[in-house]
Amino acid sequence: GQNIDQPTEMTATEGAIVQINCTYQTSGFNGLFWYQQHAGEAPTFLSYNVLDGLEEKGRFSSFLSRSKGYSYLLLKELQMKDSASYLCAVREDSNYQLIWGAGTKLIIKP
Amino acid sequence: DVKVTQSSRYLVKRTGEKVFLECVQDMDHENMFWYRQDPGLGLRLIYFSYDVKMKEKGDIPEGYSVSREKKERFSLILESASTNQTSMYLCASSAQGYSNQPQHFGDGTRLSIL
Repeated sequence: GQNIDQPTEMTATEGAIVQINCTYQTSGFNGLFWYQQHAGEAPTFLSYNVLDGLEEKGRFSSFLSRSKGYSYLLLKELQMKDSASYLCAVREDSNYQLIWGAGTKLIIKP
Repeated sequence: DVKVTQSSRYLVKRTGEKVFLECVQDMDHENMFWYRQDPGLGLRLIYFSYDVKMKEKGDIPEGYSVSREKKERFSLILESASTNQTSMYLCASSAQGYSNQPQHFGDGTRLSIL
């Protein structure tokens, strides 16, 4: 069956680095998305990975290992505004649906 | 920038009422989606549409229907609202073509059924 696992909650310190993991088991794989969602707001797109390796985008990077069914989102130089939920989603095949993880709530402390 | 607009941010309705949630996107996207989001459960797909007048059931379609008469507009209908439909409802749209096309979301409608 389909399953995407993420930690429910993480806490980190302002200025530090945090890694949010996502593991998936799906019948197919056609890309993995990361989204950020602040409380009470819409999810916003952060990154997309379809090939193994690291994609860097400013303070945020996303890594994918297809053989391990594993991805992580790396946030550097954490700022208070990074307090949000981070959602991992997998596109299983050539249709346009996404399978969503339940999200990781990231709490940043001063 | 893609703009997905949902008609209401907050809505309160009574049990048994017929409820309409409207969503409009301005980027000529072919795909549109309706999700509900509940704490600890993540996003669950209710219905989606790949084209005008086309609709496909998602994971939890029971108690809902949809309408897509125009490309830019996708409506979610709660035929007879029940208290277990109290939730945050999110509309999204995406382009067809390459697999890297992300879904773009509206601000959501927080619906309470009393």
